Amino acid sequence: SAVISQKPSRDICQRGTSLTIQCQVDSQVTMMFWYRQQPGQSLTLIATANQGSEATYESGFVIDKFPISRPNLTFSTLTVSNMSPEDSSIYLCSVEDGRVYGYTFGSGTRLTVV
Amino acid sequence: GESVGLHLPTLSVQEGDNSIINCAYSNSASDYFIWYKQESGKGPQFIIDIRSNMDKRQGQRVTVLLNKTVKHLSLQIAATQPGDSAVYFCAENSGGYQKVTFGTGTKLQVIP
Repeated sequence: SAVISQKPSRDICQRGTSLTIQCQVDSQVTMMFWYRQQPGQSLTLIATANQGSEATYESGFVIDKFPISRPNLTFSTLTVSNMSPEDSSIYLCSVEDGRVYGYTFGSGTRLTVV
Repeated sequence: GESVGLHLPTLSVQEGDNSIINCAYSNSASDYFIWYKQESGKGPQFIIDIRSNMDKRQGQRVTVLLNKTVKHLSLQIAATQPGDSAVYFCAENSGGYQKVTFGTGTKLQVIP
């Protein structure tokens, strides 16, 4: 299966600032996915990122708050903009790994906003 | 690392016993289901999957059962080991290409 490197692994940020999270995959993949996992909660899909087109956002998530880049088939970034303490979560990158609908996940970025 | 299971239901099992983790799904149109294991400080890891045209699938020490009538999914782990301690999520394909929705999760605690 694909190997995903996600950076940073954790960060503590001031409210009002922005953080860009990077996701690097060791193989070319068509679709990349960004999830949020709030403390003690399950995973919620933020958006789907396809190379060469705009990301598709899920209900409750908007591009201005979570801009996504997908410059090639092995890389994507998610920016958490104008952060507030409510944005404190684990953010996870995921890709399809050859199994139908199966995903491989990165280790996540633990974000704390103070 | 930080625990992701602070507010999740917990199942405590003696080492060597069998574990059964249950999941109710809501979308009758879902046609594919996945179980994931998430250890502390890590991302979810694929365990086993099942399509809606099946009611049982077995892997190594794990079995997934699907009851579409009551929209219920279960994960059975045989001879539970300390390394099985983690949070387990069911996920369903509920529409759209490769889009899945995660369930609430269950924390499995193995007692040595």
